[in-house]
Amino acid sequence: GQQLNQSPQSMFIQEGEDVSMNCTSSSIFNTWLWYKQDPGEGPVLLIALYKAGELTSNGRLTAQFGITRKDSFLNISASIPSDVGIYFCAGQGDSSNYQLIWGAGTKLIIKP
Amino acid sequence: NAGVMQNPRHLVRRRGQEARLRCSPMKGHSHVYWYRQLPEEGLKFMVYLQKENIIDESGMPKERFSAEFPKEGPSILRIQQVVRGDSAAYFCASSPPGFSGVKTQYFGPGTRLLVL
Repeated sequence: GQQLNQSPQSMFIQEGEDVSMNCTSSSIFNTWLWYKQDPGEGPVLLIALYKAGELTSNGRLTAQFGITRKDSFLNISASIPSDVGIYFCAGQGDSSNYQLIWGAGTKLIIKP
Repeated sequence: NAGVMQNPRHLVRRRGQEARLRCSPMKGHSHVYWYRQLPEEGLKFMVYLQKENIIDESGMPKERFSAEFPKEGPSILRIQQVVRGDSAAYFCASSPPGFSGVKTQYFGPGTRLLVL
């Protein structure tokens, strides 16, 4: 079945630094989504990407849908303490228009 | 505007007992999805339901697991004769009528099931 590889697994950064994480797939996806999950909560959608090459921003967050349709990245600029959490990429392939394949997450930790 | 509600938030069961997880979708939403999340992993799709219908249960184990979304009341995910491997966070998402696309799924806070 389709799988997503998300990296890095965790990141330790200083407040104010920029952050970059990415996901790669063994097969093509039609939609890429990026979510943030806080401890004890459900995932919250940050950015949705629908077209190859699409670059979308949401405040300090920027995400791109790779040209090959097999990858996506998420950048966070000038990180702040509330950015701490787990970021997930999720992709929707050809099998259905509602099933999502999820990466394993990138845990973002901000060093004091 | 209440979001997706799930209860209980935490559930402890002994092996062999039954677990019943409830999900109330957002007001006006008629599509419900259940996902399972193991520690250090992403979510995995289990089942998609509309009112009184199971649309897709391809991600749900064939035995011991069942789901329903009755005409009235919340959606229920039922796990019979729980085993330790069932320990996980179970998330419910809902979307509005006519829009089952991935962007329109709103997630609840999850139920953390611990099987002793």
